[in-house]
Amino acid sequence: DVKVTQSSRYLVKRTGEKVFLECVQDMDHENMFWYRQDPGLGLRLIYFSYDVKMKEKGDIPEGYSVSREKKERFSLILESASTNQTSMYLCASNRGAGYTFGSGTRLTVV
Amino acid sequence: QKEVEQDPGPLSVPEGAIVSLNCTYSNSAFQYFMWYRQYSRKGPELLMYTYSSGNKEDGRFTAQVDKSSKYISLFIRDSQPSDSATYLCAMTPPGGSQGNLIFGKGTKLSVKP
Repeated sequence: DVKVTQSSRYLVKRTGEKVFLECVQDMDHENMFWYRQDPGLGLRLIYFSYDVKMKEKGDIPEGYSVSREKKERFSLILESASTNQTSMYLCASNRGAGYTFGSGTRLTVV
Repeated sequence: QKEVEQDPGPLSVPEGAIVSLNCTYSNSAFQYFMWYRQYSRKGPELLMYTYSSGNKEDGRFTAQVDKSSKYISLFIRDSQPSDSATYLCAMTPPGGSQGNLIFGKGTKLSVKP
């Protein structure tokens, strides 16, 4: 069964910390995505990548960066965590129709 | 006008009911239409996808697309408590790419035993 694995289910970080969220897929997909999901706002695209070392900004890239050094791994970086970045973060990958999502990382910034 | 509109609910139905979930969209060039199911504290999972207008059936689930009205629906027959989840519609923008989906905000469904 295909899988997208996010390294942490729950994280608590302090304001100002640099935070790394890791995502690994085992399907050899070219495309990978990072979303955040908030009540009433739905899924919002932060960054996506169509290939190794490629990245494109999504709808809300401010305060985030990404890294894709290997095809299977796509990392989301919060340069200096703030309380308004408390959210559920979802990684996804695809090649054709539809995305495969990870289980999500619930990040709390205190 | 938002690109994809979806009633957030919550929608509560008794077990065995027929459930109808709906989305409207504004861009007539959208190509692929999908439904995702998301259980609490989990990531969304793809339920169904379709390209053309009409119906597509998979077990108790039927996806319906009406491109002329820019309206899509998901019907669940004989609903079960295990169907309790948030359902998100999604669609692809024009250009042929099947990435960069545009999502509705989701409808929360509760099926009561």
